[in-house]
Amino acid sequence: AQSVTQLGSHVSVSEGALVLLRCNYSSSVPPYLFWYVQYPNQGLQLLLKYTSAATLVKGINGFEAEFKKSETSFHLTKPSAHMSDAAEYFCAVSDPYNQGGKLIFGQGTELSVKP
Amino acid sequence: EAGVAQSPRYKIIEKRQSVAFWCNPISGHATLYWYQQILGQGPKLLIQFQNNGVVDDSQLPKDRFSAERLKGVDSTLKIQPAKLEDSAVYLCASSLGQTLMNTEAFFGQGTRLTVV
Repeated sequence: AQSVTQLGSHVSVSEGALVLLRCNYSSSVPPYLFWYVQYPNQGLQLLLKYTSAATLVKGINGFEAEFKKSETSFHLTKPSAHMSDAAEYFCAVSDPYNQGGKLIFGQGTELSVKP
Repeated sequence: EAGVAQSPRYKIIEKRQSVAFWCNPISGHATLYWYQQILGQGPKLLIQFQNNGVVDDSQLPKDRFSAERLKGVDSTLKIQPAKLEDSAVYLCASSLGQTLMNTEAFFGQGTRLTVV
């Protein structure tokens, strides 16, 4: 079975500081990995995804994530936080071979950005 | 391109009542998903359709929840009778294909259900 663990339900950074949101996964097969962002009262928007190509994935709004198989991690980073980055972030895993496009989400990390 | 449309946006019902949610996916998207997002948790898949057939409904509480996707386009999710623990946001998503390698799942804004 697949699962995702996001370390830290709340992360607070200052504007301009590095953003680091942690995600560890469990999967018996090479997974697809995703980061989604959710703004208040909105649906989820895809930030980036890893599908077995380059291990460093660049996404929208300056975010990137690195797939590290040895650490079973897919942490999300952004060099410089902006006030508009304040939102809930979800890491998700998908097994394309047995579960179609089913996404298994972590608990989410709420990012706050202080001026 | 129009996104995934859901209605209503908000619904308040009493326990033991019934409720229905509607979803119109992006045109041409064969795969449709219903997720349940309880406050403070990540979304959980309830049911996945491929055209008008069910691919995965293993986490759908079938004694009270039902869903259909007639003609492979719009979908309706129903709860009857509702329980307090059904209070959540119900998210509909759609994608071109079953695998997300070359496609993306697009999410609607969700329906926030409160059961009192």
